[in-house]
Amino acid sequence: LAKTTQPISMDSYEGQEVNITCSHNNIATNDYITWYQQFPSQGPRFIIQGYKTKVTNEVASLFIPADRKSSTLSLPRVSLSDTAVYYCLVGVNQAGTALIFGKGTTLSVSS
Amino acid sequence: EAGVAQSPRYKIIEKRQSVAFWCNPISGHATLYWYQQILGQGPKLLIQFQNNGVVDDSQLPKDRFSAERLKGVDSTLKIQPAKLEDSAVYLCASSWSGGSTDTQYFGPGTRLTVL
Repeated sequence: LAKTTQPISMDSYEGQEVNITCSHNNIATNDYITWYQQFPSQGPRFIIQGYKTKVTNEVASLFIPADRKSSTLSLPRVSLSDTAVYYCLVGVNQAGTALIFGKGTTLSVSS
Repeated sequence: EAGVAQSPRYKIIEKRQSVAFWCNPISGHATLYWYQQILGQGPKLLIQFQNNGVVDDSQLPKDRFSAERLKGVDSTLKIQPAKLEDSAVYLCASSWSGGSTDTQYFGPGTRLTVL
C-alpha cells in the first residue's frame, strides 16, 4: 500500500498559482495518482487523476515526473473559493478496489 | 444528474443509543462506499459494496456497526450501541463500477455527535 506525504497546510493569495506536492516513494507500477478537494461541510470532490507526465483539465494540472515518486497539483490563479483541503491518493485498500485518503493539505487563500 | 443523497444531515444521540444513516447513490452506480471522517482527518473507508455484495469491510467495527444495501441501490449504516469516539461525519459515495481509477461521487455527509 503506497503511503503519501503532503504538507499539512499552505497559504496563498488570490490570483497566485499554487503548487501542492505529494510524495509517494513506494508507488506501485499499476497505481494511479488521484487528487480530491473537500470544502467544509461537504464530501470530497474529484479534481484530477494521472499516471505519468502531465494531465490538465479545466480545474487543475497534475505533473508527474518519470520516476513517479512524487506528483504536483497545480492550481492556476486561485481565488477565495479554492480554500479547501486537498487530498493526494495513491494506492488501494486490501481488496484492491478503493483509494486510501491521508490527512490532506489545507489550503487557505486570502485576499 | 442528481447527486448522492444522505439523511439525516445531523444527528445527536447519547452514548449507548443506536442510530441509522441512509444513502441513495447516483442512479446506475454499482459501487457504494461508506466512510467515517473524524475532525481533522481524511475519510476512512468503513465498507464497500458492489451491487448488493460486500467487497471490503475490513475496517468496519463489526461488534457495533452494520450496513446493508438491499436490491443493490439504497444503503443504510447502523451503529448500535454508539460510543463517544463514534462522533464523526459519515460520508456515502458511489461510483460506476468500483476500482482505483473510478471517480467517486460523495454525498454531503451526516454529522453524528455522541454525548
